[in-house]
Order: sequence, then structure tokens, then C-alpha cells
Amino acid sequence: DTEVTQTPKHLVMGMTNKKSLKCEQHMGHRAMYWYKQKAKKPPELMFVYSYEKLSINESVPSRFSPECPNSSLLNLHLHALQPEDSALYLCASSQGFAGGQETQYFGPGTRLLVL
Amino acid sequence: GESVGLHLPTLSVQEGDNSIINCAYSNSASDYFIWYKQESGKGPQFIIDIRSNMDKRQGQRVTVLLNKTVKHLSLQIAATQPGDSAVYFCAERGDSNDYKLSFGAGTTVTVRA
Repeated sequence: DTEVTQTPKHLVMGMTNKKSLKCEQHMGHRAMYWYKQKAKKPPELMFVYSYEKLSINESVPSRFSPECPNSSLLNLHLHALQPEDSALYLCASSQGFAGGQETQYFGPGTRLLVL
Repeated sequence: GESVGLHLPTLSVQEGDNSIINCAYSNSASDYFIWYKQESGKGPQFIIDIRSNMDKRQGQRVTVLLNKTVKHLSLQIAATQPGDSAVYFCAERGDSNDYKLSFGAGTTVTVRA
């Protein structure tokens, strides 16, 4: 099973709201990722967690706050977003063994609209 | 920085024909490559991968070819079906110790009935 699940599927929020995106995998993967994808563009890496520790932050604004409560869960907390943050937010996971074939498996994404 | 790119943004294919999607990369140190398929409204779906010590790998109806001499990657889809209509992304890993993937711009494949 190579399933990564994400909730919610769709989210509409105002610029003053606080919301969270959730991601879950039960493949025993130890690396988890957040990506942002704009229409007709490839995914852009935001954060990487390795063994539940943040290992990569691609200079993402602080209004995006990731959290990894355990090895199966990944959250993305959103606060004071801007309309330009509207996008598809993708979660992915991989085995997490450096030097291995780090295939990343993606979830279906959360379609976010900021008004 | 070095990145992965695709030769053509769109490809129109007759149902039943073979499709070839191309990707050029510039990082000669890249050791691992992946092809993803993304259908409308869905996340990228893993199709096939290849390591740099191989030049060909086959899956079900798909073949990936890697030419390290000219830094070129291609995905061949045999007997293209309507369900193959999607955006296809190539991705590379530049360092065996890196978690980061560099994605190409994507090719939109449309299958004509």
C-alpha cells in the first residue's frame, strides 16, 4: 500500500483565519514533505521532515508552520495567509534512508483558496 | 541552479499509438530519476523510476530510458489509452544523500479518440 491521505480535500479561508492541513501515511516512511503547487506548474518543495525533525525549510514564510507529531502524521498550520497562497498543497512521504531510492509518494492534496 | 526540464509542454497522441515524453537534465551528478503522472484534481502518481547505473527500465506499458551522455530521460507509453491523459513530470535527485527532488516543467498529454 502506497497511500498518503490528506484532509481536508478543499479549504476556503479568510486572511485572518487559522487553519490546519493534515497528512497521514502508514507505510513506515520516515521522511515526509510539504509541497505547494500552482496551476500548470510542478510541485515546489516547502518543508522536509526526517525522523520527525525538520531538516529542510525552503525559506517558507512564517505564516506556514509545519508540525510532525509522530512518524505517521504531518500537519501544516496556516495563519494570516494571503490570496497568492491559494494553491494545491501536497504531502508526500518516502522511506527516509539516505542513499536509497527515495521514491516520494504523494497524497491527493488539499485545494486551498484564500479570500 | 541546475534543474530538470521537458522538451515539449504539450503532446497530442492518437489512442492506440505509442507516446514518447522527453526530459533533459543538466546535473551530471544526478543519480536517481522518477516519472510522475498527475491527473486533473489529483496528486502526482509514481509511474516508474531509474537509477543512474541503468539505461533502461520497463514497467507495465511504460519504459524509461536514460542517456547519461546527453543527459536525457524519456518515458515511453505503449498503446496509449484515454486514461493516460494527464500531466507528466520528470524528477531527479541530485545527490544520493539528498531528500530533494527537482521537477521538470511537465508535459500535458492529450489522447485523441
